[in-house]
Amino acid sequence: EVLLLESGGGLVQPGGSLGLSCAASGFTFSFYAMTWVRQAPGKGLVWVSTISGGGGSTDYADSVKGRFTISRDNSKNTLYLQMSSLRVEDTAVYYCVKGTLAAAGPLDFWGQGTLVTVSS
Amino acid sequence: QLVLTQPPSASASLGASVKLSCTLSSGHSSYAIAWHQQQPESGPRYLMKVNSDGTHIKGDGIPDRFSGSSFGAERYLTISSLQSGDEADYYCQTWGTGIVLFGGGTKLTVL
Repeated sequence: EVLLLESGGGLVQPGGSLGLSCAASGFTFSFYAMTWVRQAPGKGLVWVSTISGGGGSTDYADSVKGRFTISRDNSKNTLYLQMSSLRVEDTAVYYCVKGTLAAAGPLDFWGQGTLVTVSS
Repeated sequence: QLVLTQPPSASASLGASVKLSCTLSSGHSSYAIAWHQQQPESGPRYLMKVNSDGTHIKGDGIPDRFSGSSFGAERYLTISSLQSGDEADYYCQTWGTGIVLFGGGTKLTVL
């Protein structure tokens, strides 16, 4: 059974930093691209970032480029998202999502999400 | 520019069928998409991938009541024998070089 368990969410002040983790199990982690998707309260799903299965390729939405860094440790089956220079508009539930390919493609398993609140 | 367009809302009666649409922007009619369901107060769930030729591959445990199809730049999700639990937000998703994209979502109301 595929399981994705996010952690690290919480309350942070504007301009601050926060790191999210996603522990994966139930599949060969290194075979698949992994993606972070966020959802602001009452809004739709928005892509944040994707990393290839081997970790050598990363992509970011324009809204987070230069502020967020996606990474993975395939030896620990864990995905990360380091967020800095956080803004009020970054407030959202952040989902860790498994892809079906080694690169970008359909997303087929979602974590339960972790809430990040950016507020003073 | 790659864009996915979904109608914001749809409704259908209990036991009936509904066909939700997702439109790919001009020049991108060959793209495959994926459908995701998000029930109230829950995280999203993958339903299926729909190819440009109309073939679809469903996720684990997705009932036969859910099916996908294509016509030109349109991708569809059809839900038959609607149940109250099908009331949810439905999102289409696609991908390209360096980008993953979601449509704005369709809120389905089961009457």
